Formats: sequence, C-alpha cells, structure tokens
Amino acid sequence: ETGVTQTPRHLVMGMTNKKSLKCEQHLGHNAMYWYKQSAKKPLELMFVYNFKEQTENNSVPSRFSPECPNSSHLFLHLHTLQPEDSALYLCASSQDAGVGELFFGEGSRLTVL
Amino acid sequence: DAKTTQPPSMDCAEGRAANLPCNHSTISGNEYVYWYRQIHSQGPQYIIHGLKNNETNEMASLIITEDRKSSTLILPHATLRDTAVYYCIVTTEYGNKLVFGAGTILRVKS
Repeated sequence: ETGVTQTPRHLVMGMTNKKSLKCEQHLGHNAMYWYKQSAKKPLELMFVYNFKEQTENNSVPSRFSPECPNSSHLFLHLHTLQPEDSALYLCASSQDAGVGELFFGEGSRLTVL
Repeated sequence: DAKTTQPPSMDCAEGRAANLPCNHSTISGNEYVYWYRQIHSQGPQYIIHGLKNNETNEMASLIITEDRKSSTLILPHATLRDTAVYYCIVTTEYGNKLVFGAGTILRVKS
C-alpha cells in the first residue's frame, strides 16, 4: 500500500469510447504525475501537475486529457484511442515537483480494441 | 539529465548480497543518483538516492564512486521477493522528470 490508489485496475475500451482513469493520493503531496508503460518499453512521463497546475506535458496526443481538480486527485480522460495506446498507466505523487521520491500507484491496465 | 548504463539482467542466490552496478559517466555536479525497482505488475517503488556520500536505509545501500561516474546498489540479503526490474536514474534535485531506462532484471533464485 503506497498511499496512491488507481481505478480501475483494468479497462477495456473500443476506439470510439470515452473513459477516464482516476488516481487519488492520501499522502498530502502537492505534485502528481501520469506515466505510460507500454509492453517491453521503459516508463514514459506524460504529465506533471504541481499544486493543481500542469507543469509538464511531454508531447502527449490530445486524445489523452488530464484533469487535476485538487492536489489529491488526478484524472486521465481518454477518447478516440488507438490500439497502440494499450498500456499500463501509472499515477505517482511526490511532496513537491522538486522531489525525486515518487510514490506510484498499482497502475491501470488499458486495452484498446 | 545524464544517461545511465545498466546490465540487462543479473542472477543472485537467495540470502546472498545482490550488487547492481550503474554507470553514469556524464553525471553533473548537481545530479543525484536514484534507484527504483518494479516488481512484476506493480508500480515502481523508490529504494534510495544519493549525491556524493554512500547511503544506507532499511532496504539497501548505495555506494557511489569518488568520481561519481558509477554506483552500486546493494541488497544485503536478497530474497525471492526482491526479484524485480531495478532502475538507476540520474537527475537534478528537482527530479520530478524522472526518466526511466530499461533497468536491470534481477532474478533471485533459491
């Protein structure tokens, strides 16, 4: 138990669907992150939020839309995805964006048909 | 951030020390060395980090060479549950943009 909870753990969606991934942290941290881990590839940083403000967008396609309503919650809205977007999506948090110790959730395994 | 080089895989006998090397020859003076691990189907887990001095915590020890061009993560008494991918990452103190490489697959065998 890392204090970072991701739901759902598994998601299957068609290319025309709209779905959302949710992340919640109970650690009182100010920074939250989305990472993507495709099969046999290293983790890729997608987005960074610090005090609810987006500070990093790593050239992520617009079909991925993040939302950070407060420092404890982070969403990743998905629409018109492609099969190659199938991956493990990992959420993480840290005390501040300037700290390297990240706490990761278990991840949401996404399959796009 | 500086690039790191790690062996793709290593084996270790259960109960023995696991020594995982990492080369970071282009490390800058203000860059830290971080270690994470990822057990299968789980999110990465922070292990330890250091700048110049050797560091130890309840999980592991980190030995950094004097020239800081390489480091070694030591798991003193490896168990089967330590089987995982271990990532060595070099980043500045503001290391929020952690860049993960391929890491080292450590297999602990009984």
